[in-house]
Amino acid sequence: AQTVTQSQPEMSVQEAETVTLSCTYDTSESDYYLFWYKQPPSRQMILVIRQEAYKQQNATENRFSVNFQKAAKSFSLKISDSQLGDAAMYFCAYRTNAGNMLTFGGGTRLMVKP
Amino acid sequence: NAGVMQNPRHLVRRRGQEARLRCSPMKGHSHVYWYRQLPEEGLKFMVYLQKENIIDESGMPKERFSAEFPKEGPSILRIQQVVRGDSAAYFCASSPGLAGGHAYEQYFGPGTRLTVT
Repeated sequence: AQTVTQSQPEMSVQEAETVTLSCTYDTSESDYYLFWYKQPPSRQMILVIRQEAYKQQNATENRFSVNFQKAAKSFSLKISDSQLGDAAMYFCAYRTNAGNMLTFGGGTRLMVKP
Repeated sequence: NAGVMQNPRHLVRRRGQEARLRCSPMKGHSHVYWYRQLPEEGLKFMVYLQKENIIDESGMPKERFSAEFPKEGPSILRIQQVVRGDSAAYFCASSPGLAGGHAYEQYFGPGTRLTVT
C-alpha cells in the first residue's frame, strides 16, 4: 500500500521569506501523480501544485515550486516570498496513474509571521 | 462555472440518528469521491463512484455507511445510527472522465462538518 509522510507537523516562516515543506512517499509504482493541497481555516481544499512522475522537470506555479526527487521518493514544496495568506495546513497527496483515490499525508501547519 | 457543491455545510445529529450528506460535482464531471477528515488528520479515502455505479468502496466502513450517485441528482453519503466517532469533516471531490481534461485532478467541495452529540 502507498503511504505519504509529512514529518513536519508545524512550520513557521517570516513574511517575505522562503519556506520548504517536506513530503516523502512509498510506492512500488513507476507512474503516478503527486499533489500539494492547501487547507486554510475555511477548510476548503485548494490544489496548489501537481507533478507527473514521468516528468523530470519540477513543477512551478508562481511563488510555489516543488523539488521532486523520484529515486528518493521525495516531493517537497517551496513557497517563496511568503505572504500572510499562505498560512494554512498543507497536505501532500499521491495518486497512481490507474488509481482512483488520493492518499494524503498527515499535513503540515504553516504559520506566517508578519 | 460553479465548483463542487456540498450541503449541508454543518450537520448536527444525536447518537442513533441518520446523517445524509449531499454532493453535486462540477459541471461536466462524472466521477465523485468521498473522503473523511478526522480532527488534526489528513483526508482518508472512503468511496469512488460514477453515475449509478460504485467503483471502489475499499475505504468505506463495512457497516452503517453507504453511498450512491444516481443518474439524476447529487451523490449522497449516508451514515445510519451515527456514533460520536463519526464526527468529522466529510469532503466530496469530483473529476472529469478519462476522456476529458486532467483526469487525475480532483476538485474538492467545501466539506460537511458532522457533529454527533
